[in-house]
Amino acid sequence: EVQLVETGGGLVQPGKSLKLTCATSGFTFSTAWMHWVRQSPEKRLEWIARIKDKSNNYATDYVESVKGRFTISRDDSKSSVYLQMNSLKEEDTATYYCTTRGAYWGQGTLVTVSS
Amino acid sequence: DIQMTQSPSLLSASVGDRVTLNCKASQNINKNLNWYQQKLGEAPKLLIYYTNNLQTGIPSRFSGSGSGTQYSLKINSLESEDAATYFCLQDSEYPYTFGAGTKLELK
Repeated sequence: EVQLVETGGGLVQPGKSLKLTCATSGFTFSTAWMHWVRQSPEKRLEWIARIKDKSNNYATDYVESVKGRFTISRDDSKSSVYLQMNSLKEEDTATYYCTTRGAYWGQGTLVTVSS
Repeated sequence: DIQMTQSPSLLSASVGDRVTLNCKASQNINKNLNWYQQKLGEAPKLLIYYTNNLQTGIPSRFSGSGSGTQYSLKINSLESEDAATYFCLQDSEYPYTFGAGTKLELK
């Protein structure tokens, strides 16, 4: 059974940092391209980052709104993908999902940025 | 970025009805269009990929069509469990972009 479990969300002040983890099992993680998608409180979905596999040099892409602040990374030995979020803004408040192959999603972790 | 416009934003229908949800892209996305269903408190669930391919385990009353910039999701013989919000996603180019969603209510 495919499982993706996100952790690391919480309440954080503007300008601070947070690191999300997505632990996976049930599929060949090392060849999977991994994505982070977030959903605002207004229920808008936004794709934010992708990391390819080793054969594609772990290439990354980001949506403009998080470039330079967020970093996606992965550890194939742990079947995990990460999202380092720096300089957080109130508009980053959302539920963050990791996903792969379009069909596999975690349950999400809530990040609230507020003073 | 490619803009995805969904219509209608709200749809009210009855059990047994057939409904059509629409998604328009701001440029040609070459059928790289997925449909998702999301219920309250759950992650999005993939229904259709690459315009018209039914995801494993999804009932055949769901179907997709389209090309170029215009795409649609049809649901035949609505069931009460189909009440949800439906999103389209273009994965033709980065950044991938979602539509704002169509909320389907059952009367």
